[in-house]
Amino acid sequence: EAQVTQNPRYLITVTGKKLTVTCSQNMNHEYMSWYRQDPGLGLRQIYYSMNVEVTDKGDVPEGYKVSRKEKRNFPLILESPSPNQTSLYFCASSFLTGTGDNSPLHFGNGTRLTVT
Amino acid sequence: KQEVTQIPAALSVPEGENLVLNCSFTDSAIYNLQWFRQDPGKGLTSLLLIQSSQREQTSGRLNASLDKSSGRSTLYIAASQPGDSATYLCAGGASGSRLTFGEGTQLTVNP
Repeated sequence: EAQVTQNPRYLITVTGKKLTVTCSQNMNHEYMSWYRQDPGLGLRQIYYSMNVEVTDKGDVPEGYKVSRKEKRNFPLILESPSPNQTSLYFCASSFLTGTGDNSPLHFGNGTRLTVT
Repeated sequence: KQEVTQIPAALSVPEGENLVLNCSFTDSAIYNLQWFRQDPGKGLTSLLLIQSSQREQTSGRLNASLDKSSGRSTLYIAASQPGDSATYLCAGGASGSRLTFGEGTQLTVNP
């Protein structure tokens, strides 16, 4: 089944304790992206990647790191989490056509992170 | 910076009604526009994608249109059903890689 898999689904941690949220897709998509969803603010893009070893900042990259060593994986790293990073996180992926158009975005089921 | 607004924020309709959800954006240099559905506790599911060269897309009872000159997109749902109850989000951007999302319209279809 074609899917984007995020782990874990739920995570409670304390301020300053490094964590990684994993994202894996099995559709051979070039494009992958991380978003956070907050009430009243909607979905905001954190980082995205157009292909292996190519990553760029989105709208809210502060406090986050990503890497794209393999096409299928795009982990989100919080080196020193803070309470304002408490949020619902989504990973998404899609193909990129030769014209730069995207195919429809496929989303994972989300990771609900609480930082105390 | 692109801003995307969805009106109304919430909508409740009886089953069988045809309805229109609205999405407006501030930057007409929009590259493509996507409509998504989000169910509680789940990720987003892509419904329709209007590419940069297109003005409309249809899938089953859903039809989405894009008017770049007026900065608007609409999602038309025909003969609504209780299973259509969800939050509907639109997203667009000046490039395919930088999408800006609206906050969504929460739709309830009552049996």
